[in-house]
Amino acid sequence: GAVVSQHPSRVICKSGTSVKIECRSLDFQATTMFWYRQFPKQSLMLMATSNEGSKATYEQGVEKDKFLINHASLTLSTLTVTSAHPEDSSFYICSAATGALNTEAFFGQGTRLTVV
Amino acid sequence: AQKVTQAQTEISVVEKEDVTLDCVYETRDTTYYLFWYKQPPSGELVFLIRRNSFDEQNEISGRYSWNFQKSTSSFNFTITASQVVDSAVYFCALSDFNKFYFGSGTKLNVKP
Repeated sequence: GAVVSQHPSRVICKSGTSVKIECRSLDFQATTMFWYRQFPKQSLMLMATSNEGSKATYEQGVEKDKFLINHASLTLSTLTVTSAHPEDSSFYICSAATGALNTEAFFGQGTRLTVV
Repeated sequence: AQKVTQAQTEISVVEKEDVTLDCVYETRDTTYYLFWYKQPPSGELVFLIRRNSFDEQNEISGRYSWNFQKSTSSFNFTITASQVVDSAVYFCALSDFNKFYFGSGTKLNVKP
């Protein structure tokens, strides 16, 4: 299957700072990427959908000004957690898909964010 | 709206026992995909199977088997002769145009 790389795998940041997480499709062009969040011992919840060259679509309850998503190229989407707080500590995971593959999406390895 | 329910929060079995993880889904779409993923403590999602809504044929892969029944909107997962390495959280998911809706997960503990 296709490969999606997420970086970093772990990050610790101080409250009030911003942190950027990258999601790259390594061997295919991803017109659409998705960002999910997983709190400890909970399920994965879709945060937003990003389409290359256009604004991201956020799920209800997700603050777009806090979770900035940029999908500037067909192989890279970034999620920036701005002004991070301890409650933002979570596991963030991206997935990437192409129209050609239809309903085939591939997940990154995830990023464990800890805000101290 | 899409919904996936995994009623079993946690299951504990002894090695070599068979175990079935239940998954029930809701959707109004006629075309959809169902998935099972394994999530070890490291966090990454390990793909196990994908099934489209038009293919109700059951599938077996080694010790794993899946039973898809549209009539009951269920997509159950059975591990035969479980092993300690099967211990993980298992997620059932429904995909709607690449957007995934996950169940709450079932934590499987396989004890030696």
